[in-house]
Amino acid sequence: GDSVTQMEGPVTLSEEAFLTINCTYTATGYPSLFWYVQYPGEGLQLLLKATKADDKGSNKGFEATYRKETTSFHLEKGSVQVSDSAVYFCALSLRRGGSEKLVFGKGTKLTVNP
Amino acid sequence: GAGVSQSPSNKVTEKGKDVELRCDPISGHTALYWYRQSLGQGLEFLIYFQGNSAPDKSGLPSDRFSAERTGGSVSTLTIQRTQQEDSAVYLCASSLSGLPGRNIQYFGAGTRLSVL
Repeated sequence: GDSVTQMEGPVTLSEEAFLTINCTYTATGYPSLFWYVQYPGEGLQLLLKATKADDKGSNKGFEATYRKETTSFHLEKGSVQVSDSAVYFCALSLRRGGSEKLVFGKGTKLTVNP
Repeated sequence: GAGVSQSPSNKVTEKGKDVELRCDPISGHTALYWYRQSLGQGLEFLIYFQGNSAPDKSGLPSDRFSAERTGGSVSTLTIQRTQQEDSAVYLCASSLSGLPGRNIQYFGAGTRLSVL
């Protein structure tokens, strides 16, 4: 079945450090790929998305490129801030038989220290 | 309101009781989803509604779980005879009907259910 695997955390970085959170997927078909973020005490928010191979999603300094050949969608940011501390979820979406749902990875908790 | 609204935000119940969780989607969104977020299982899909089509119930974990969507808008997730393993955060999301695979799902803040 469809699945998403992302690096386990927690990840702890100092402010201005480079961030990479790895994400790979398994799917029959051509999924759309997403990164969602959950800040402490808040709901899930879409961070960025990509819908086809080689698309790059970007938002708030974060980037991820849809790599079909490696079935990956790694999240990167060049210089993290304390305010980026949150849990990050990689997800895929596929339509099957008239239904569509998100399949999530288990989440990676990021803590950025001043 | 501007976003997906869920109520209550917190619910504490006793084992064996029934609970109802409510979701108000974004106005105009025809698709509605329920997910469950728990420590052991992560984020799991429960059920999907799209317009007047039959819902996709494939993610419901047992027949104690049911959901309905009245008038194509508000949805209620009902858990009968609650068990301690039902303790989790229940998330609702909605999206516009559009090109397959390109809908963005917008999430509510969730209902935290604690079964004692």
